[in-house]
Amino acid sequence: GAGVSQSPSNKVTEKGKDVELRCDPISGHTALYWYRQSLGQGLEFLIYFQGNSAPDKSGLPSDRFSAERTGGSVSTLTIQRTQQEDSAVYLCASSPTHGGNQPQHFGDGTRLSIL
Amino acid sequence: DQQVKQNSPSLSVQEGRISILNCDYTNSMFDYFLWYKKYPAEGPTFLISISSIKDKNEDGRFTVFLNKSAKHLSLHIVPSQPGDSAVYFCAASGNNFNKFYFGSGTKLNVKP
Repeated sequence: GAGVSQSPSNKVTEKGKDVELRCDPISGHTALYWYRQSLGQGLEFLIYFQGNSAPDKSGLPSDRFSAERTGGSVSTLTIQRTQQEDSAVYLCASSPTHGGNQPQHFGDGTRLSIL
Repeated sequence: DQQVKQNSPSLSVQEGRISILNCDYTNSMFDYFLWYKKYPAEGPTFLISISSIKDKNEDGRFTVFLNKSAKHLSLHIVPSQPGDSAVYFCAASGNNFNKFYFGSGTKLNVKP
């Protein structure tokens, strides 16, 4: 498809398990962003990639969270030893380049539920 | 640090009338402000933006106003339509920022 694709769309897992979330950005978009939206909250920035590099990891909540991007395209967000407070919708967005005036194209998110 | 705030969690408007959604920010270094619209179970979609060098930007039924001295922006939708019912997020960034700051959203309900 032409848009940002995220998988899985829903994930239910037990506390303590590891999860991996995937994002396929729009082809040719060099900038990629991960956000988290907890229930009733706004979008919380997690990490930003320019190409395969992550200039800003400041939003990752703890060392249980990591992300990588390969080939300047697909990105994976990994959460190790999941906790109940990790339950949220995880959104990925991409834009042609990075810049404050660049609107982001969002995927539909992965809804993560930790039991 | 909540640098972008949307203080109204919800707004209800009659079809055909004006909807005004508000957003406040704290950082005077922001250069760009964007509005996104979000339907349930979908990702946000870009709606309209404004640069800090302007005070108004209009696109069809949507107009964004920026008041830099008050660190306030607003989105006007005229006339409002039932299909406009969604959650609206404002976001801010700038040339010296690596990320976007989002507000917590305002849920707009346009009644037929």
